[in-house]
Amino acid sequence: NAGVTQTPKFQVLKTGQSMTLQCAQDMNHEYMSWYRQDPGMGLRLIHYSVGAGITDQGEVPNGYNVSRSTTEDFPLRLLSAAPSQTSVYFCASGTITEAFFGQGTRLTVV
Amino acid sequence: AQKVTQAQTEISVVEKEDVTLDCVYETRDTTYYLFWYKQPPSGELVFLIRRNSFDEQNEISGRYSWNFQKSTSSFNFTITASQVVDSAVYFCALSERAAGNKLTFGGGTRVLVKP
Repeated sequence: NAGVTQTPKFQVLKTGQSMTLQCAQDMNHEYMSWYRQDPGMGLRLIHYSVGAGITDQGEVPNGYNVSRSTTEDFPLRLLSAAPSQTSVYFCASGTITEAFFGQGTRLTVV
Repeated sequence: AQKVTQAQTEISVVEKEDVTLDCVYETRDTTYYLFWYKQPPSGELVFLIRRNSFDEQNEISGRYSWNFQKSTSSFNFTITASQVVDSAVYFCALSERAAGNKLTFGGGTRVLVKP
């Protein structure tokens, strides 16, 4: 039972490049979400899903896309990376009363 | 909209001192959940405790204790007899039942425990 698995753990991108952060969970949770963590700001919700085929925007969705084709996977896509997207990204899955987080992806956009 | 405020940005103590972390929240929902997470220097988020809005019973678990007061919208967290391993950033978070699993985090409090 791996819990929530994020890949990669570290990534450096050039401005304008695209990439996908992967998130997979093996706990059969309906809820999955993506957060970004910036220094001194806590975590902020980017996108959110309540089940396969259903996604919604969070607090800071601009520049990111998501899809949820299966219960297990919830990838986060950066279409054209910008330096403002330099951050640590956390994926979470859970129920209505608890959330389990992945190890995080440290992304640097130069 | 929900909001969580952690007014203390950093607390420094000497080992064995008690540390209390403050958390104040805002919500319009009558059913909500409050959480504390720990983020050690290694970066992962470690779940510590969850409290339901309809359960104001405070609790002690080992060296950790929590004080949930709906009247003041506060959910404070205390580490008794702190240890160096308690050095971390601690986040308070809130989710409203109507919002499903969406968490709103406070800005975090960095705790530094010196030997």
